[in-house]
Amino acid sequence: EAGVTQFPSHSVIEKGQTVTLRCDPISGHDNLYWYRRVMGKEIKFLLHFVKESKQDESGMPNNRFLAERTGGTYSTLKVQPAELEDSGVYFCASSQELRRRYGYTFGSGTRLTVV
Amino acid sequence: AQSVTQPDIHITVSEGASLELRCNYSYGATPYLFWYVQSPGQGLQLLLKYFSGDTLVQGIKGFEAEFKRSQSSFNLRKPSVHWSDAAEYFCAVGSFVGAQKLVFGQGTRLTINP
Repeated sequence: EAGVTQFPSHSVIEKGQTVTLRCDPISGHDNLYWYRRVMGKEIKFLLHFVKESKQDESGMPNNRFLAERTGGTYSTLKVQPAELEDSGVYFCASSQELRRRYGYTFGSGTRLTVV
Repeated sequence: AQSVTQPDIHITVSEGASLELRCNYSYGATPYLFWYVQSPGQGLQLLLKYFSGDTLVQGIKGFEAEFKRSQSSFNLRKPSVHWSDAAEYFCAVGSFVGAQKLVFGQGTRLTINP
């Protein structure tokens, strides 16, 4: 099966600009997660979708971040306006509802650099 | 609250030597535990997982990990490392009752000397 696909793989933007990251989960995976790793820190949870609904968005850092999952398929994470501290690697992961205890499948990540 | 500590930020071993990466967790109930690896330019790949049963779990690429409840540890081991094992390794704990999310450690970067 195809894996979790994220794009772009890299993005360099200026402070104040807007960036949209996209994640295509594995087909049939209802659960979709966003995580982020800022420089030198641990990977941290941002939010969790079940189909098109936000199940848990407790990790979203502030209202400059907006995540959507239209139709329960792919998801986008928009940062508007971007700040320097938003730089990092953004990971997406997906899992089937009944197999979540077996771990998630992660994408390769999007490396975001805000200059 | 759940937390994961990987005490070693960077480890260097010689090719063919044995390896142990440490992971300690804090969690109020029996956790689900994972080790992931990220090779340069790649995503996070699941090496192995534990959620019940035998406390010694086998994973891919010749890795194993042992769950020790009394020490709140889940250390990753490999008897003989290969140059291709150079990567960053992440320990994570999961809660699948209530909030579904993984809590990760800071990662351990592994360098292999030829």
